[in-house]
Amino acid sequence: DAMVIQNPRYQVTQFGKPVTLSCSQTLNHNVMYWYQQKSSQAPKLLFHYYDKDFNNEADTPDNFQSRRPNTSFCFLDIRSPGLGDAAMYLCATSRDLGRGNTEAFFGQGTRLTVV
Amino acid sequence: DQQVKQNSPSLSVQEGRISILNCDYTNSMFDYFLWYKKYPAEGPTFLISISSIKDKNEDGRFTVFLNKSAKHLSLHIVPSQPGDSAVYFCAASARYGGSQGNLIFGKGTKLSVKP
Repeated sequence: DAMVIQNPRYQVTQFGKPVTLSCSQTLNHNVMYWYQQKSSQAPKLLFHYYDKDFNNEADTPDNFQSRRPNTSFCFLDIRSPGLGDAAMYLCATSRDLGRGNTEAFFGQGTRLTVV
Repeated sequence: DQQVKQNSPSLSVQEGRISILNCDYTNSMFDYFLWYKKYPAEGPTFLISISSIKDKNEDGRFTVFLNKSAKHLSLHIVPSQPGDSAVYFCAASARYGGSQGNLIFGKGTKLSVKP
């Protein structure tokens, strides 16, 4: 009974062709995150939602967008994928933000390949 | 300018012995620290955490030590088991400041426990 589910596990897209990665959660957590992890690198936060409030990291390229239509779902849209965007994309959720430190729960990730 | 550093990319330990994974941080605003374990092709799984008001937290075979003055934490696994072989990520967050609650990760240490 997975709690944070990412689809698909593996995605191959063409250079420049828009692609959407999806994440759903059954934890009813109010915060959802998207991380990008390249080989041998630390997971890097792209943005997060606190409920419906979108928070973009300063160095996240404009090519990356996100949508959260409801509590359970969050999408990562890459408008024009480049070869440098090939990475593992991790979705995570957490219960709260600011009022107390809690751990984040991760999905299994989507491995994106750009050809 | 990595805020969370794991200087050892890999560590090899004999089964039954102690594994010690180290992590250093630079941001004095960090007040919550976590360790995640990651198997290949899976998302990180939360392992153990520690708040800055403590210097030790123990959970079964896993103990995390925090030295705030040195901005250093370590994860001890004893006894180590072959199933512990994975990449271990250190992460930190700050309750206050510009990125409340967002996890900042180190690059990870690959632990190999040999039978």
